[in-house]
Amino acid sequence: GESVGLHLPTLSVQEGDNSIINCAYSNSASDYFIWYKQESGKGPQFIIDIRSNMDKRQGQRVTVLLNKTVKHLSLQIAATQPGDSAVYFCAETTISGTYKYIFGTGTRLKVLA
Amino acid sequence: GAVVSQHPSRVICKSGTSVKIECRSLDFQATTMFWYRQFPKQSLMLMATSNEGSKATYEQGVEKDKFLINHASLTLSTLTVTSAHPEDSSFYICSASRRDRANYGYTFGSGTRLTVV
Repeated sequence: GESVGLHLPTLSVQEGDNSIINCAYSNSASDYFIWYKQESGKGPQFIIDIRSNMDKRQGQRVTVLLNKTVKHLSLQIAATQPGDSAVYFCAETTISGTYKYIFGTGTRLKVLA
Repeated sequence: GAVVSQHPSRVICKSGTSVKIECRSLDFQATTMFWYRQFPKQSLMLMATSNEGSKATYEQGVEKDKFLINHASLTLSTLTVTSAHPEDSSFYICSASRRDRANYGYTFGSGTRLTVV
């Protein structure tokens, strides 16, 4: 299930199940979004991106959905594996604007064996 | 691919001293680099945008004299934490972007864990 931790919400899923991580972004003018994965003590790693003219994009085992009406992003991970355990952040920017990335609060994904 | 190297990965310093963190783009030129700060179990907070050959642009609430940024070349940006205090202890991460048509994403360095004692 999903619970709020000290600062980061945590999502616990069984190995092999699908994971859905949600993110509410802040700026309606943002036109480019990225999901990042961060393992403990490391910098964020790019997972998948999506532009605002799309509502869905698929990668290998991952899918990003964008709902601009409610400013919502989701990351779906199929057949979750132990190596997927990490903190996941969404980030938004305006490519044509300042091009600064603003990060969401993050979600910790725990994969249970 | 785009690789960003950050050094050192860990540093412990005494209160009142200054610490320099380096961020290098190894296989591409980065006219713009970004510095983030991350507290435990929290998200990344943008501190400043580092522009090659010009002054950095700081986010609101970030002390310019405290966190000195220098972007002397297209492949190197440095962050110097001056007169460090224990409250400056944090995880500092740099990033850079190739900003080409194929990829608007940032590549992040591996981060620097700063502990001020």
